[in-house]
Amino acid sequence: QKEVEQDPGPLSVPEGAIVSLNCTYSNSAFQYFMWYRQYSRKGPELLMYTYSSGNKEDGRFTAQVDKSSKYISLFIRDSQPSDSATYLCAIFGGSNYKLTFGKGTLLTVNP
Amino acid sequence: KAGVTQTPRYLIKTRGQQVTLSCSPISGHRSVSWYQQTPGQGLQFLFEYFSETQRNKGNFPGRFSGRQFSNSRSEMNVSTLELGDSALYLCASSSSGTGELTFFGQGTRLTVV
Repeated sequence: QKEVEQDPGPLSVPEGAIVSLNCTYSNSAFQYFMWYRQYSRKGPELLMYTYSSGNKEDGRFTAQVDKSSKYISLFIRDSQPSDSATYLCAIFGGSNYKLTFGKGTLLTVNP
Repeated sequence: KAGVTQTPRYLIKTRGQQVTLSCSPISGHRSVSWYQQTPGQGLQFLFEYFSETQRNKGNFPGRFSGRQFSNSRSEMNVSTLELGDSALYLCASSSSGTGELTFFGQGTRLTVV
């Protein structure tokens, strides 16, 4: 079983839609959860960071963590064409000093 | 505040050659980690440095090596390049490498021909 599983998509939605992106993880030692956005030929850009179960909101973005189910989500409200990118979940845990990434979900928001 | 800076942005090398990539972390950050990104494997951890010490290494052959300098700048080296080493190499920095906010550079795209 992979440590972090993420549906690679691709996901195509109309402008204004609510987007839900999800990851599951296997290691209960994971403590810190991040979402990155990566545009084509660019480095990953940190979008959201959280370390506890529950929701964290930042503008149109909401990160949700359910540690009991080992499930994390990123919701994008009122999606825009500029949100078209690959979204990566990343998880940190234990004393191994590294992030473990999902494979990324390619999102396209159509005008 | 300047972000993570990686140089060069693009490289084309021939099989068998070696290459050195450079990373300057965000000012004040002492942890630098390196990742390889390919379409098939996604982001794979290479190694992490803190205060010039390697604290963790990923599952890559010994041809991949790195180091960190006293000013926290880091380099990674790949010797005897293979076609499969073609990838985007990403450097990330954070304050201490223990789970806090981690920021990435734009990457170095290496093509091995």
